[in-house]
Amino acid sequence: EDQVTQSPEALRLQEGESSSLNCSYTVSGLRGLFWYRQDPGKGPEFLFTLYSAGEEKEKERLKATLTKKESFLHITAPKPEDSATYLCAGGNTPLVFGKGTRLSVIA
Amino acid sequence: DSGVTQTPKHLITATGQRVTLRCSPRSGDLSVYWYQQSLDQGLQFLIQYYNGEERAKGNILERFSAQQFPDLHSELNLSSLELGDSALYFCASSVDPGEGSEQFFGPGTRLTVL
Repeated sequence: EDQVTQSPEALRLQEGESSSLNCSYTVSGLRGLFWYRQDPGKGPEFLFTLYSAGEEKEKERLKATLTKKESFLHITAPKPEDSATYLCAGGNTPLVFGKGTRLSVIA
Repeated sequence: DSGVTQTPKHLITATGQRVTLRCSPRSGDLSVYWYQQSLDQGLQFLIQYYNGEERAKGNILERFSAQQFPDLHSELNLSSLELGDSALYFCASSVDPGEGSEQFFGPGTRLTVL
């Protein structure tokens, strides 16, 4: 059975304090590893797709990386507006979503 | 704004009732997905349609059904509602039916069953 596990469940950072979120997966025939941002009560917002080990993608303060067993979302010098739940997903059809990491950035 | 629209935004109803949630995918997207998200659960996949045909089914209850119409909009029908059906329901769309295709989510419909 395909599984996606995210850690930590929650993370509290001071503004400017860089950190990483982890997404480990056991998915047969991974076709893509996806990262989303979700604000409370809103729909997930697409961030990145990674297709192969070693691939990296960046967007503003966020950088996503992929290995054969896990993906990391690195947050550099976060700001309070980066506070959200970050979801990763993998699999074929359908996608399997992790439960997310709830990030709080304190000014 | 993802380009995916969902109506209504909020729905409050009673146990035993039936409701219909509506979704319009992004322009050009042929595939529509429905998800349920409750407080203690992550995003749970319900069902997928591609160009009008059912493509994949998740843990969708028999009381729930969906369809995708020729204009590609989709409806999710929930019947004999129970308290536990209270959740956020999201629709997503993608260009391709899966296998590496990004899904773009709508704003969701918050269903409250009293």
